[in-house]
Amino acid sequence: EVQLLESGGGLVQPGGSLRLSCAASGFTFSSFTMGWVRQTPGKGLEWVSVITGNGRDTYYATSVRGRFTISRDNSKNTLYLQMNSLRADDTAVYFCAKDDVRGGSSDYWGQGTLVTVSS
Amino acid sequence: DIQMTQSPSTLSASVGDRVTITCRASQTINSWLAWYQLKPGKAPKFLIYKASSLESGVPSRFSGSGSGTEFTLTISSLQPDDFATYYCQQYNSYPRTFGPGTKLEIK
Repeated sequence: EVQLLESGGGLVQPGGSLRLSCAASGFTFSSFTMGWVRQTPGKGLEWVSVITGNGRDTYYATSVRGRFTISRDNSKNTLYLQMNSLRADDTAVYFCAKDDVRGGSSDYWGQGTLVTVSS
Repeated sequence: DIQMTQSPSTLSASVGDRVTITCRASQTINSWLAWYQLKPGKAPKFLIYKASSLESGVPSRFSGSGSGTEFTLTISSLQPDDFATYYCQQYNSYPRTFGPGTKLEIK
């Protein structure tokens, strides 16, 4: 059974940093593109970033490019999102998601971790 | 970035109704479109990929159609479990982008 478990969320001040983790199990982690999607309070889903299975290619939303860094450790079956220069509008529930085998769409999602950026 | 729009933003319907949600892309995305269902406090549920292919385990009352810039999600006979918010997402090019969502409410 595929499981994705996010951690690392919390309260952080504007300008601060936070690192999210997503522990994956139940599939061959290194074979799949993985990513992050967030849901802002009262708003919808926003795609954040993905990283290919071998970690060589990364892609970002315009709103986070240059501030967020996605990475993975295939030996630990873990996905990361390093978030720097956080702003109030980064406040959201962050979901970890696995691309399906066909690529592009996300077939499994974690339950999410809440990040609150506030002074 | 490719902009995605959805209509309506809110849809009120009754159990048993047939409903259709429309999703439009600001430029052609071929058929690289997915649909997701989101309920409060839960992980998004993957429904449809490549515009019209039903994900395994998703009830057949859900269907998708379209290509290019205009797409639809249809639920043929609404069930109580279907009241949720629905999002389309393009994956034709990076950055991938979601539509703003359509909230399906009980009438």
